[in-house]
Amino acid sequence: EAGVAQSPRYKIIEKRQSVAFWCNPISGHATLYWYQQILGQGPKLLIQFQNNGVVDDSQLPKDRFSAERLKGVDSTLKIQPAKLEDSAVYLCASSAPGRYGPTYGYTFGSGTRLTVV
Amino acid sequence: KQEVTQIPAALSVPEGENLVLNCSFTDSAIYNLQWFRQDPGKGLTSLLLIQSSQREQTSGRLNASLDKSSGRSTLYIAASQPGDSATYLCAVVNTGGFKTIFGAGTRLFVKA
Repeated sequence: EAGVAQSPRYKIIEKRQSVAFWCNPISGHATLYWYQQILGQGPKLLIQFQNNGVVDDSQLPKDRFSAERLKGVDSTLKIQPAKLEDSAVYLCASSAPGRYGPTYGYTFGSGTRLTVV
Repeated sequence: KQEVTQIPAALSVPEGENLVLNCSFTDSAIYNLQWFRQDPGKGLTSLLLIQSSQREQTSGRLNASLDKSSGRSTLYIAASQPGDSATYLCAVVNTGGFKTIFGAGTRLFVKA
């Protein structure tokens, strides 16, 4: 079974520039998540999709962050314009939804390490 | 509001030692709890998943326990090896809204 694919692995940009990350979840996983992990902290959920609909984006800074999952499969996360505090690892995860929550837990991609200078 | 705490933040042990990592959570209304391993610069690898109705799960040298009433989970690693060096994170899924909350992790270093 192929894992969760993310690209790019690393990205360095200047503040106020824009950047986009891509994620392809495990085949058949209807739920897709984007997390932000700042150094020394646990991952923080930015947005959760169920198929191509948004389930939770309460912690997404909508003035600069956007995400889409148009066909209910792969997804892109965009930051425009980037700030220094956006430097973090951006993790994508997917899960198969159960009746009361994610079954079998989550599978994470390797992440994209973003450095804003 | 659910809060997940992991203690200690960092731990250094000699090879071969048995060790316990702790995870505590403030709201016992959880759906499941999952332990992850994260190597530097890498994503999270799932180690063990405990459903709310279960008390423990085992995989090889790893054993995770769950005590919902006290809001605690432990990850026991037997006969630690240098290859176990990594950050270990626990995450709980709440039944209300099914949000996942992560702890900040315990950074483990096993000395050869």
